[in-house]
Amino acid sequence: AQSVTQLDSQVPVFEEAPVELRCNYSSSVSVYLFWYVQYPNQGLQLLLKYLSGSTLVKGINGFEAEFNKSQTSFHLRKPSVHISDTAEYFCAPARLTFGEGTQLTVNP
Amino acid sequence: NAGVTQTPKFQVLKTGQSMTLQCAQDMNHNSMYWYRQDPGMGLRLIYYSASEGTTDKGEVPNGYNVSRLNKREFSLRLESAAPSQTSVYFCASSQRRGYEQYFGPGTRLTVT
Repeated sequence: AQSVTQLDSQVPVFEEAPVELRCNYSSSVSVYLFWYVQYPNQGLQLLLKYLSGSTLVKGINGFEAEFNKSQTSFHLRKPSVHISDTAEYFCAPARLTFGEGTQLTVNP
Repeated sequence: NAGVTQTPKFQVLKTGQSMTLQCAQDMNHNSMYWYRQDPGMGLRLIYYSASEGTTDKGEVPNGYNVSRLNKREFSLRLESAAPSQTSVYFCASSQRRGYEQYFGPGTRLTVT
């Protein structure tokens, strides 16, 4: 069975600072990997996905993630965050398991 | 395209009452899912339907039933609501199981 760990439940940062949201998964098989974002009072929407190929994946709103098979990690990064990036972010390997979420709060 | 729609958006029930949450998707997806979201617990899968005509239990199925009415619609029923079922419920769909999911706006349910 797969499980996923998001290492930080809350990440506060200042506007225009870089940010990394960490995700580790456990699995012995090839996986698809996803990051979703949830803005307040909304459903989740896909931020980016890794299916195969290049380990660096670019998504919407300037986010990117790097798949590291040896470390079983899929960390999400953005070089310069904006106030509007304040949201909850979920890491999700395929097969229906979601992480517990990381609340990103961008302060002015 | 409306994507994934859910009704109702809000609902308050008394303990022991029953209700059905409705979900529909217009993307011709094969797989559909019901999740609940509680503070600090992420999303937990209640039931899913990998394809029309099939349903399977997820992580937290107790107290719920589902019906995959056709390819578009997947409903979630609470037969006898309990306060522990107070939560936000999300429906989602995907082309196939394991592919990226598309979520509805959610139903906020309170059981008193």
